[in-house]
Amino acid sequence: EPEVTQTPSHQVTQMGQEVILRCVPISNHLYFYWYRQILGQKVEFLVSFYNNEISEKSEIFDDQFSVERPDGSNFTLKIRSTKLEDSAMYFCATRGQYNQPQHFGDGTRLSIL
Amino acid sequence: EDQVTQSPEALRLQEGESSSLNCSYTVSGLRGLFWYRQDPGKGPEFLFTLYSAGEEKEKERLKATLTKKESFLHITAPKPEDSATYLCAVLDSIQGAQKLVFGQGTRLTINP
Repeated sequence: EPEVTQTPSHQVTQMGQEVILRCVPISNHLYFYWYRQILGQKVEFLVSFYNNEISEKSEIFDDQFSVERPDGSNFTLKIRSTKLEDSAMYFCATRGQYNQPQHFGDGTRLSIL
Repeated sequence: EDQVTQSPEALRLQEGESSSLNCSYTVSGLRGLFWYRQDPGKGPEFLFTLYSAGEEKEKERLKATLTKKESFLHITAPKPEDSATYLCAVLDSIQGAQKLVFGQGTRLTINP
């Protein structure tokens, strides 16, 4: 069964450094999302991306965050200057047609020191 | 603002002991309710989508039902491999929005 693949599985970074999280969507999926889950808390929406542009973003997704699909396959989330509170699991999700469910990858655990 | 509340937070059952998990939601117009299963260290795995009150979906030992205010995930004769956190989410009610709003999950443990 097709899967959403995320790399790396675990990233440890010093505060203030830039990180890039990568996601390979399911083939022929058109809608892409990032969510995050702080330990012990709910899964929360960050951003949605369609047709090479952001279609929706949450209050969490401030100027430190950016997304792109540089080569038509990978979908990336960049955090420019990481803070301690950015430590969380980051999940990529993708879906096909409008009413189809979102399918999630296994996440990247981001640890900021 | 759309809200999703799941209960109980944690549930421990014996193998074969059936039960139900609850998901209450507050949205201005339901555009879809989703159930996911999440194993430790993994991403949410899609189980069901429900769109309208009265709708039911089944998969193996799981059955999801929907009313105008809540959804239930019924688990019949569970096995230890059904142990996981079960997440409920609604599609944001703003027309055209695509984000999922999640509940905090129910952590289900099935003892052999």
